[in-house]
This record gives sequence, structure tokens and C-alpha cells, in this order.
Amino acid sequence: QAQLQQSGPGLVKPSQTLSLTCAISGDSVSSNSAAWSWIRQSPSRGLEWLGRIYYRSKWYNNYAESVKGRITLNPDTSKNHFSLQLNSVTPEDTAVYYCAREYTDSYCFDSWGQGTLVRVSS
Amino acid sequence: DIVMTQTPLSSPVTLGQPASISCRSSQSLVHSDGNTYLSWLQQRPGQPPRLLIYQISNRFSGVPDRFSGSGAGTDFTLKISRVEAEDVGVYYCMQATQFPQTFGQGTKVEIK
Repeated sequence: QAQLQQSGPGLVKPSQTLSLTCAISGDSVSSNSAAWSWIRQSPSRGLEWLGRIYYRSKWYNNYAESVKGRITLNPDTSKNHFSLQLNSVTPEDTAVYYCAREYTDSYCFDSWGQGTLVRVSS
Repeated sequence: DIVMTQTPLSSPVTLGQPASISCRSSQSLVHSDGNTYLSWLQQRPGQPPRLLIYQISNRFSGVPDRFSGSGAGTDFTLKISRVEAEDVGVYYCMQATQFPQTFGQGTKVEIK
């Protein structure tokens, strides 16, 4: 398992950008057997996978259709972390955001960050 | 997207008694590689989800053997043989056979 530590603001104004970072220990963001995801949880949407990045000789990303065009995930190999940016937020983006490691041998989320409650409000 | 439907949504259980949660997928979860990527997660109050079971029936490291998973195709079950106080929480099934990964709506296990 890896240990994931999230950081970032808990309050974002409407139309602005939500930014969160997930620091990894016990694994590498460049691991060939993992993918690194952001998942959010809200009463209205439940658990919703947002996107992932992974390295297989080069960097790849996949994004959920619900946020495509607004979301960017980036790795930082020097700091061994990855980040989430979600643009043009609305109150519907209010949720607890989690980063998670997906172990790609068995396609399961085996490590999770502690969660960050992000409120979108003016 | 594959829809994951769990029943029941709430399960009051007496301590020491068994509990069972069902999960049905809108399509078969058998991947083209022959594996079935169905996992179960537990979320205790105020905590992030925690992996219990992967690929239908494999217990993750450190998970007590009172938890077991079974099923095939579109129908899956999580069983707790004897519920303990620490098992209170919400349980989710999740599929990763088809992109994007999707989760069930959750089943709340509480003590009677």
C-alpha cells in the first residue's frame, strides 16, 4: 500500500479553479503498476471517479465525461505527488475529494487520501 | 456507463449475527482478459473508503476473514459472517471492468 496525503483549500468561489495536491509515500507517481486517481463524494452523486494519470513509458490520462474540459491532472516527479485542477466550479462541485491509488494488476483502489471537503461558495 | 445497484440500502444487524449485501451490475463484469474487476469497500464514519475485497473474492491485506465475497457475471455478494461493532459503516461495490470505474450507491450497516 501507499500513503497519500492531500492538501489544498477547503473553500473556492464560483467560477474559480479548485486545486488539490496528493503527496505519495511508499510508492512512486511513475510506478508501472499503479494509476493515480481523484474521486469525489457528495450526497447527490455518491462516489464519483473524476480522472487518473499513469506512467507507462510516457504519461497518460483519462477523465470522466462529466468533468471533461474542466479537469486537469498533473504529475510532479520531483516531489512525488500529483495534482487536480478543476476549472469553472459551481456549487454542484461541492464535495469531499479523495486521491487514490489504483493497483493496476487487480484494478482496485487500495490506498486513499484522507479526503478534503471543498465547498464552492461566494 | 455501467450502473451498480446495491440492496439493501440499509441493514440493521444484531452483533454476532451475519450480514449480506448484494450488488448487481447493468452489464457483465467479465473483462476480455477473463478476469472480473469487482471490488468491495468499507467506509467507516468520518473516514475515507477502505478496500476490503478485490476481484470478487480476494481479501485485501489485513481484512478479517469474517468478510467474504462471491458472485459472477452481474450478481455479487459481500457477507460478514459475524458482525462486530467496528463493522458499522457504509459498504460500496465498485467495478473497474469497463471505463469509467463506477460505484454502487452504498449500503449502511448499523447495529440494532
